[in-house]
Amino acid sequence: DTAVSQTPKYLVTQMGNDKSIKCEQNLGHDTMYWYKQDSKKFLKIMFSYNNKELIINETVPNRFSPKSPDKAHLNLHINSLELGDSAVYFCASSQVGGGPPYEQYFGPGTRLTVT
Amino acid sequence: AQTVTQSQPEMSVQEAETVTLSCTYDTSESDYYLFWYKQPPSRQMILVIRQEAYKQQNATENRFSVNFQKAAKSFSLKISDSQLGDAAMYFCAYRTVTSGTYKYIFGTGTRLKVLA
Repeated sequence: DTAVSQTPKYLVTQMGNDKSIKCEQNLGHDTMYWYKQDSKKFLKIMFSYNNKELIINETVPNRFSPKSPDKAHLNLHINSLELGDSAVYFCASSQVGGGPPYEQYFGPGTRLTVT
Repeated sequence: AQTVTQSQPEMSVQEAETVTLSCTYDTSESDYYLFWYKQPPSRQMILVIRQEAYKQQNATENRFSVNFQKAAKSFSLKISDSQLGDAAMYFCAYRTVTSGTYKYIFGTGTRLKVLA
C-alpha cells in the first residue's frame, strides 16, 4: 500500500563508486521529483519528470543522471561519488494536470553516506 | 522568482499549549497553493495542511489551522493543544498553478520542540 517507495533506504559507499536509487509511485501521478536534503535539513529540488519528460533540471553536477522509464518510476544514478554527496535523497510525486489537490507525496528517503 | 521564508529556525512549546509557526513568501502570481509539511525524526515528509490562494477561508485540519494573509503574503501555521508527537521539522511550501511550471519551493524549515 506504500504510495511512494524508494530503495534502498540506506546506502553507504566509498568515494569514486557509482550508485543508483530507485523510486516507484502507485498513485497514478504524472510528475515525479528528486530532492536532496542536506545536513541542515534544506530541501533542494534536483530534477522533475512529467509524463517521462524532464521538465526541471536544476544546477546539479553532471555526475547525477535521472531516468524515468515510465510515469510510475524515477531512478537516480550517481557516478563518481564524492563526500559532498552525502545527504538524504527524497523522491516525490504529484498530479499536476486535471486540477487540485496539488500536494506532493514523498518517499521515505534514502540516506546516502559517502566515506 | 518565488521565494519562501521561515524566519524561526527553532520554536518550543509546552505540551497542551498553542504555538504558531511563521511563513512568508514572495510572488507576483495571483493564484497558487501553499502547504505545510511535517518531518518527524523518522524523516518521512507528511502533509499537514494545504491552502488554495483563491480561497479566503483559512484551512483547518483538526488541531492544525493556518492564518492566510494573501495581501501580506503570509501563511502561518497554528498548532493547538500541542502533543509530544508534534515535535518535528515543519516546512512551508509554495506551488504555482501556472501551466508548465511544476516546481515546489520550500522554506528552510522550523524545528518544533514540545516540552512535557
